[in-house]
Amino acid sequence: AQSVTQPDIHITVSEGASLELRCNYSYGATPYLFWYVQSPGQGLQLLLKYFSGDTLVQGIKGFEAEFKRSQSSFNLRKPSVHWSDAAEYFCAVVPNYGQNFVFGPGTRLSVLP
Amino acid sequence: DAGITQSPRHKVTETGTPVTLRCHQTENHRYMYWYRQDPGHGLRLIHYSYGVKDTDKGEVSDGYSVSRSKTEDFLLTLESATSSQTSVYFCAISEATGNYGYTFGSGTRLTVV
Repeated sequence: AQSVTQPDIHITVSEGASLELRCNYSYGATPYLFWYVQSPGQGLQLLLKYFSGDTLVQGIKGFEAEFKRSQSSFNLRKPSVHWSDAAEYFCAVVPNYGQNFVFGPGTRLSVLP
Repeated sequence: DAGITQSPRHKVTETGTPVTLRCHQTENHRYMYWYRQDPGHGLRLIHYSYGVKDTDKGEVSDGYSVSRSKTEDFLLTLESATSSQTSVYFCAISEATGNYGYTFGSGTRLTVV
C-alpha cells in the first residue's frame, strides 16, 4: 500500500549533537515532499519542502533535508540541535500535483541538556 | 497561528451528543481543511473545502459532516459523537491548491466519554 513511514517513534539527542530523522515513502512517481514541526499544544509549522531540482533542500531553523530517489527517502538533518528543537516532526507527501497531503506518523524528538 | 483560529480549544462531550467545531480565518483563503491527529497516525484528512458551499471528503470522513456558508468559517460537525472520535482536530487554510503553503490552527482537543 502507498504510505509514508517514519521508522523512529521517539529519538533522544543531547544538545549540540547532530540529528537525522528518517522518512520513506512508497509512491511510484516522485511526490512532493515536506517536513513539518509541531511544538506542544501548537499547530504544524512548515520546515521545508521539495518539489524538484536540487536534492538538498534548506529550511528554517537550520534544518535541511536530502531527497534520495533510489532510496525513496527524504531525511531531515540538523548539524547541532538546540533545546528548543524538542518537538514532534512529521514527514508529509503529496503523491501528485493537486492531491492532498499524506502524513507520516511522526517522530518525537527529546533534547537532553 | 495568526489569521486562523479554532474554537473551542478543548471540549469534553458525552457519547451520542452532537458536537460542532469551528475554524475561522481572516486571510480570505479559498481552501480550508479539517484533519484529526492520533498517535501513530500523523494527521489524516477528514473533509476539505475549495470554496463557499464546495466541500469534499477526505480519507476518514465517516461520522463527520462539514459546512462552509462563508469564506471565513468552516464548521466540522460530529452528528453523534463516539469514543473513537476522541482526538485532536486541526484546521488548515491554503491560498491555492498546488503550492501547499498550508497554515495550521492550534487545534481542538476533543474527548468523548
